[in-house]
Amino acid sequence: QITLRESGPTLIKPRQTLTLTCSCSGFSLSTAGVGVGWIRQPPGKGLEWVGLVYWDDDVRYSPSLKSRVTITRDPSKNQVVLRMTNMDPVDTATYFCAHNRVGYNFYYYGLDVWGLGATVTVSS
Amino acid sequence: DIVMTQSPLRLPVRPGEPASISCRSSQSLLHRNGYNYVDWYQQKPGQSPQLLIYLTSIRASGVPARFSGSGSGTDFTLKISRVEAEDVAVYYCMQALQPTWTFGQGTKVEMK
Repeated sequence: QITLRESGPTLIKPRQTLTLTCSCSGFSLSTAGVGVGWIRQPPGKGLEWVGLVYWDDDVRYSPSLKSRVTITRDPSKNQVVLRMTNMDPVDTATYFCAHNRVGYNFYYYGLDVWGLGATVTVSS
Repeated sequence: DIVMTQSPLRLPVRPGEPASISCRSSQSLLHRNGYNYVDWYQQKPGQSPQLLIYLTSIRASGVPARFSGSGSGTDFTLKISRVEAEDVAVYYCMQALQPTWTFGQGTKVEMK
């Protein structure tokens, strides 16, 4: 059974750097085709795609966040880490990680398993 | 970026009635492999989103048959054949064709 669990600070001050960890189980981050994405949701608003890392360290970022975001993969711990610099109150949101898989000929299976989310508030 | 535009943003329905949500993309979502890279996600109040449909029309595991997806190119639709009370949720489309993915604004399905 695939599960993902987000962890990190619930409160962070403006201009600080946020670090969130997605702990994965039931699959290996080293398996060909596996990816883990990050998605965030401000209170009462819609979903925003943040970025994604694949098993081969191919990483993609939202253009609007690219200058501030780094996503890395730690196969030894089966974890994915999201790092976002220069946090602002507008970054207050629930941050989700989700499992993805791609197969032969770019066949794709969606973001099929999501974590429960980590709520982060940016405030002084 | 590809922009995904959903309509309507709010959809009141009665139990047993059909429901339809439209999603339009600013660029074609057709991959050279013949698939259109559109997903649909359901988010019930207080819960994480759940995958309903991927590659336009393939239901995810465990998704009831009353949910169906269709479309091609830039126009896509999620249909619920007969809405049940448990379908009250916000529904999002998402494109996964480009290296960077984008969601629609969401459509809130509520009971009349």
